[in-house]
Formats: sequence, structure tokens, C-alpha cells
Amino acid sequence: AQTVTQSQPEMSVQEAETVTLSCTYDTSESNYYLFWYKQPPSRQMILVIRQEAYKQQNATENRFSVNFQKAAKSFSLKISDSQLGDTAMYFCAFKNVRGGSEKLVFGKGMKLTVNP
Amino acid sequence: NAGVTQTPKFQVLKTGQSMTLQCAQDMNHNSMYWYRQDPGMGLRLIYYSASEGTTDKGEVPNGYNVSRLNKREFSLRLESAAPSQTSVYFCASSWDRGSNNSPLHFGNGTRLTVT
Repeated sequence: AQTVTQSQPEMSVQEAETVTLSCTYDTSESNYYLFWYKQPPSRQMILVIRQEAYKQQNATENRFSVNFQKAAKSFSLKISDSQLGDTAMYFCAFKNVRGGSEKLVFGKGMKLTVNP
Repeated sequence: NAGVTQTPKFQVLKTGQSMTLQCAQDMNHNSMYWYRQDPGMGLRLIYYSASEGTTDKGEVPNGYNVSRLNKREFSLRLESAAPSQTSVYFCASSWDRGSNNSPLHFGNGTRLTVT
């Protein structure tokens, strides 16, 4: 079974700084998808970014980018120019490509606080 | 555009009571899911439905039942609530046909307390 590990339960950063959230996963599959979700205090789950394992290029979405290291099974999220609105829980998630395995497996989450 | 709608938003039950959490999506998604979120545990899959008419157990199915009523609706039932089922419950849906990188779209969650 796949597992997703977020080893840092909590981090804080100053506004406008850059922060990196770590995520590692364990799988025997060669093709899969990885996601980062954000959960602000409103409790809503919001997709931040996604990465296909077969793509070598790291995904980017505005201030958010990933560092995908397939051999190391690492999928870290970098937030540049942190904003107060980035304060949230962040969850890393794994999804198998193989048919019949549509479900996502989530890490335990990490609480990020952006300070003014 | 409503997306995924869950009801109720909050619920308090006594041990042994039953209830059904409702979920509906208007995005014509094929797959629907029920997760529970507990502090320090992340989101854990309870049940999912890959398509209308099918349901499968997830990681923590004990004490729950589900019904995929039609393509839009996927309900979660607690037959005899227990304090261990105190949690925040999320319904989600995704396209998942020919494009497995389709993300999950989540409802706003139901905070359930069992006393």
C-alpha cells in the first residue's frame, strides 16, 4: 500500500519569504500522480498543484512550485513571496495511475503560519 | 456553480443514534468519495464510488455504510454512532475517466460530534 509522509507538523515563515514543505511517499509503482492541497481555516480543501510522475519537469502555479525527485520519492512544495493568505494546513497526496485505484492517499498534513 | 454540496454542516449525536450525511455534485463527475479528517491523522478514506452503481471500502469503513443513489448523489450513513466517529467528514468528487490526474473537488465538510 502507498504511504505519504509529511515529517514537519508545523512551520512558520515571515511574509514575503520563501518556504519549502516536504513530502515523501512510498510506492512500488512507476507511474502515478502527486498533489498538494491547502486547507485554510475555512476548512475548504483547495488544490494547489499537481505533478505527473512521468513528467520530468517540475510543476509550477504562480508562486507555488514543486521539487519532484522521483528516485528519492520526494515531492516538496515551495511557496515564494509568502502571503498572509497562505496560512493553512497543507496536505500532500498520492494517486495511483492503474485503473481501479482512483482514490487519493493523503499525508497527515502540515500547519503553515505566515507572520506579518 | 455549486460544485460539491454537503449537508448538514454541523451535527451533534448521542451514542447509538443514526444519521445520514448527504452529498451531491453538479459537475457530472464519475467518482465520489467520503473522507474523515481527524487531528494529526490527515484525511482517511472511508468509502468511494468509482461510478454510479458501485461502491468500495476505503481505509476506515467500519461503522459506516454508503449509497450511490445516482450519478450526482453519494450518502454516508452511521447506523449506530460512537464517540470514535467524532470527526470532520468530507465528500469529494472527481472526473476520473481517461484522465487520472483529475483532482478531487471537495465539499465544505460536516463537523460531527458524538457524545
